[in-house]
Amino acid sequence: QSALTQPRSVSGSPGQSVTISCTGTSSDVGGYNYVSWYQQHPGKAPKLMIYDVNKRPSGVPDRFSGSKSGNTASLTISGLQAEDESDYYCCSYGGSYTLVVFGGGTKLTVL
Amino acid sequence: QVQLVESGGGVVQPGRSLRLSCAASGFTLSSFAMNWVRQAPGKGLEWVAVISYDGNNKYYADSVKGRFTISRDNSKKTLDLQMNSLKGEDTAVYYCARRATITSFYFDFWGQGTLVTVSS
Repeated sequence: QSALTQPRSVSGSPGQSVTISCTGTSSDVGGYNYVSWYQQHPGKAPKLMIYDVNKRPSGVPDRFSGSKSGNTASLTISGLQAEDESDYYCCSYGGSYTLVVFGGGTKLTVL
Repeated sequence: QVQLVESGGGVVQPGRSLRLSCAASGFTLSSFAMNWVRQAPGKGLEWVAVISYDGNNKYYADSVKGRFTISRDNSKKTLDLQMNSLKGEDTAVYYCARRATITSFYFDFWGQGTLVTVSS
């Protein structure tokens, strides 16, 4: 069982918005602003999409945004496009003992 | 451009050892902490280990503690993972990943991964 809880799947139509949640505890998500999100296409390496809760690396479309409330972080993708169909993983700093925890991943389907 | 290229994966029997390597280029390896992250077939990502920029500090996931050893050679621009006493549950694609900054905890560049299969 993964340390962070994500829905196994979400879906949306092109142009719509979807939100993927990532629930942890006060020892990880809720305790630090070190939540990151990764996109992974089948057979490929993960790609950083969001870091430090809501910051976007250069080159990531502004359709991708992140937020956090309490122990739950969220990734929102607006204006869905076919190429957004992928697996998404959240990640958080877990403190000095656990260090890094990932979510179980969410499969996004663009209908 | 930043490149991380893993090697050393393969099929190994339970209880045996394997050593993975990650060759870094396009950036100054000695300025960054480096990690290994793995992904079992059809499963999610699991952080394995981290080593500080100078190699003096190392941390491991409980699942590999005492069996895996992370190391680095900044002069050769390589990161290694020595895996001993391998188990079936260690079967996974192993990625090396760069921790982006010392003031945060995220991975900005990943290698393409190398597959380790533990099977008799």
